[in-house]
Amino acid sequence: SQQGEEDPQALSIQEGENATMNCSYKTSINNLQWYRQNSGRGLVHLILIRSNEREKHSGRLRVTLDTSKKSSSLLITASRAADTASYFCATGTNAGKSTFGDGTTLTVKP
Amino acid sequence: DVKVTQSSRYLVKRTGEKVFLECVQDMDHENMFWYRQDPGLGLRLIYFSYDVKMKEKGDIPEGYSVSREKKERFSLILESASTNQTSMYLCASSPAHNVGTDTQYFGPGTRLTVL
Repeated sequence: SQQGEEDPQALSIQEGENATMNCSYKTSINNLQWYRQNSGRGLVHLILIRSNEREKHSGRLRVTLDTSKKSSSLLITASRAADTASYFCATGTNAGKSTFGDGTTLTVKP
Repeated sequence: DVKVTQSSRYLVKRTGEKVFLECVQDMDHENMFWYRQDPGLGLRLIYFSYDVKMKEKGDIPEGYSVSREKKERFSLILESASTNQTSMYLCASSPAHNVGTDTQYFGPGTRLTVL
């Protein structure tokens, strides 16, 4: 199975609400990244959090990392219709390649 | 602005054909990757390359080969296309092989249909 697994698989919210997605992984990591994918397009890097960091912010994004629980969460505050996309976590290892989860599909209704 | 381009957005091929998917990056990145993306299966790594003429198998290399003759170009080859290779193919690149700097930059994807 994938190293990173997102939860929930799908999330539907109203514009203005917050969206929280979770990612669990199995082995030790050097960093964890979140990516976004609009329908039919490539992935776009959102944020990277290193294994020695616990929380990181970027605009309306907040990422937390709990290495003891091997989990991370992505919070999008004050969501907009344009945030509708799939969101993936990816775990970075010493090998320099990342392992991606299956993604959470977020729908933000106007 | 970083850029990864893929030769085709959509491609339709017949079973048994040899298929070439091209990827070019203009960021002087050392690492390049080929993934396929299927509903319910997420992104799966096919092959990756850390340097020119160097390649390593990913999680699902069967039925594929790759070529990296120049640093900026990484090609994925389907020697004899089969219907189960119908998928979205994503190319990515990342900077030098350093821990903590493996952010990947993706191309727009090629949606391949094998009839």
